[in-house]
Amino acid sequence: DSGVTQTPKHLITATGQRVTLRCSPRSGDLSVYWYQQSLDQGLQFLIQYYNGEERAKGNILERFSAQQFPDLHSELNLSSLELGDSALYFCASSVAAGGRDEQFFGPGTRLTVL
Amino acid sequence: GENVEQHPSTLSVQEGDSAVIKCTYSDSASNYFPWYKQELGKRPQLIIDIRSNVGEKKDQRIAVTLNKTAKHFSLHITETQPEDSAVYFCAASKPGTGFQKLVFGTGTRLLVSP
Repeated sequence: DSGVTQTPKHLITATGQRVTLRCSPRSGDLSVYWYQQSLDQGLQFLIQYYNGEERAKGNILERFSAQQFPDLHSELNLSSLELGDSALYFCASSVAAGGRDEQFFGPGTRLTVL
Repeated sequence: GENVEQHPSTLSVQEGDSAVIKCTYSDSASNYFPWYKQELGKRPQLIIDIRSNVGEKKDQRIAVTLNKTAKHFSLHITETQPEDSAVYFCAASKPGTGFQKLVFGTGTRLLVSP
């Protein structure tokens, strides 16, 4: 158990819908990262927040957005869902925000878009 | 941007054999190279990492080597055991003050047969 929690574990929804994924980082960690893992794309970095501020962006679609709240938990919002958004979404956290900090991954949320 | 290539995509070995997984990166500024192990249905877990100021790092049966000139790094697992069976991902990150963007390889599925 890494100490990072994610809810829900599974989510099934329809195309065009909007969902919110939630992540709580390890106690003391200030950075949160979101990743998408699909069969054909591997692990793709989406976005990083540090202490409430957006710090880095990867290949995140405009339909996706995220935020980190004062209690440091983070939410990833996915809207206008398409079949291709079906994937495993991981959240990770690290103590700081630097380029060489170890990231601890949560158990993931499996999103299925029908 | 950074691109990480990983080979082979699948690797089958007999228990007790050694396994080697290789990655190359494109951005010479990258200076942090973690390796993650992901068992089926589980989260990625860091197994070893190396920073660009060292050429090799060992942790029991696992070692990582880094060749900055050639821009490649490798994971070596000796005396493999069935519980080493998993997907292994390499990643690379550039120096960042206040941010980290890990770029992952496409993964290697290692199967260790008893």
